Amino acid sequence: ELKVEQNPLFLSMQEGKNYTIYCNYSTTSDRLYWYRQDPGKSLESLFVLLSNGAVKQEGRLMASLDTKARLSTLHITAAVHDLSATYFCAFLTQGGSEKLVFGKGTKLTVNP
Amino acid sequence: NAGVTQTPKFQVLKTGQSMTLQCAQDMNHEYMSWYRQDPGMGLRLIHYSVGAGITDQGEVPNGYNVSRSTTEDFPLRLLSAAPSQTSVYFCASSLPGQGVTEAFFGQGTRLTVV
Repeated sequence: ELKVEQNPLFLSMQEGKNYTIYCNYSTTSDRLYWYRQDPGKSLESLFVLLSNGAVKQEGRLMASLDTKARLSTLHITAAVHDLSATYFCAFLTQGGSEKLVFGKGTKLTVNP
Repeated sequence: NAGVTQTPKFQVLKTGQSMTLQCAQDMNHEYMSWYRQDPGMGLRLIHYSVGAGITDQGEVPNGYNVSRSTTEDFPLRLLSAAPSQTSVYFCASSLPGQGVTEAFFGQGTRLTVV
């Protein structure tokens, strides 16, 4: 079964704190994507991770990929209110017709 | 640069009515897909297409129909709307295979079936 498990599903944190969102996926893939969605909006691409050990950083967000463990993490450093959103990870299936399979999302609320 | 354009943005249907959600992209992407988003469920794949004339089912295809006559357009048809199809629908496009870097999403269609 093609499955993505994100945890936590809900995250409330204070400004200035650090936290990590975890994304486990069910089958072999070397392509992992992170998206951000603001309420009532579309999905915005944050990171594309294309190989084992890939690490990408943008501002206070850093994403990494471990294909052997089928695990990706999204680390938040010194959170600010503007980071409040829902974050989705998705992996690309391999072999045959490729499909992008999404997790249920992590709703992040950063409180002052 | 329009990217992925979905119409309409909002729609209310009565049970049993049919309609077509439009999706167009101007990036010459071969791969297009339709997702539905329901609270707490993430995005679930309805149908996808790897190129003109080729479509396939995703995770939740029942009650929906698609066709791909051109590279640019990928309409989603609801054959006989049901309240369970109340959802937000997103269309996405990308380059397939080794060229996949990211999927670009449209702005979504919020559909309510009463």
